[in-house]
Amino acid sequence: DVKVTQSSRYLVKRTGEKVFLECVQDMDHENMFWYRQDPGLGLRLIYFSYDVKMKEKGDIPEGYSVSREKKERFSLILESASTNQTSMYLCASRTDRGLYNYGYTFGSGTRLTVV
Amino acid sequence: KQEVTQIPAALSVPEGENLVLNCSFTDSAIYNLQWFRQDPGKGLTSLLLIQSSQREQTSGRLNASLDKSSGRSTLYIAASQPGDSATYLCAVRRSEKLVFGKGTKLTVNP
Repeated sequence: DVKVTQSSRYLVKRTGEKVFLECVQDMDHENMFWYRQDPGLGLRLIYFSYDVKMKEKGDIPEGYSVSREKKERFSLILESASTNQTSMYLCASRTDRGLYNYGYTFGSGTRLTVV
Repeated sequence: KQEVTQIPAALSVPEGENLVLNCSFTDSAIYNLQWFRQDPGKGLTSLLLIQSSQREQTSGRLNASLDKSSGRSTLYIAASQPGDSATYLCAVRRSEKLVFGKGTKLTVNP
């Protein structure tokens, strides 16, 4: 089974800190994604990457950046954390190999609280 | 812009009941549709994936159908159990976008 691992289940950070959220997948998937999930707003796409060193903005990229130096690892960076970035962050991966439209595999999430 | 709606937002049923969760979407030009389960404070677990060319998929007590032309999908859960209590999310994929509904929170009472 594909496994997507997010390194932290819970994080508490202070306003203004630089925060790194890490995600690793073990099935050689080309595509990786970062979402945030908030009550009433659902899941929203922050950034995605379709290859090493490639990145694309999603629907809400402001205040975030990403890094993908290795195929299996996709990092979300909060340059200067703010309280409105308190949220559940979910990482996902997907392959596009072959003609089949594969589904997404999600990690277990990181609950980030910014105080 | 693709919009995904799930009705009802919450559902409470007694154990053993068969139930249907509904998902509708506005743009029928999709690659596939995926149903997920989310337990409180946890990530998303994929339940079923239906390609745009398929009508239904089954896994155990779960059956998902897709009617692309009308923009509808249903998730049927047979003989519900308390362990089925969770939020169920439907998501449609078009190109690189996976668009989610807001979910149906299911409670199965013993």
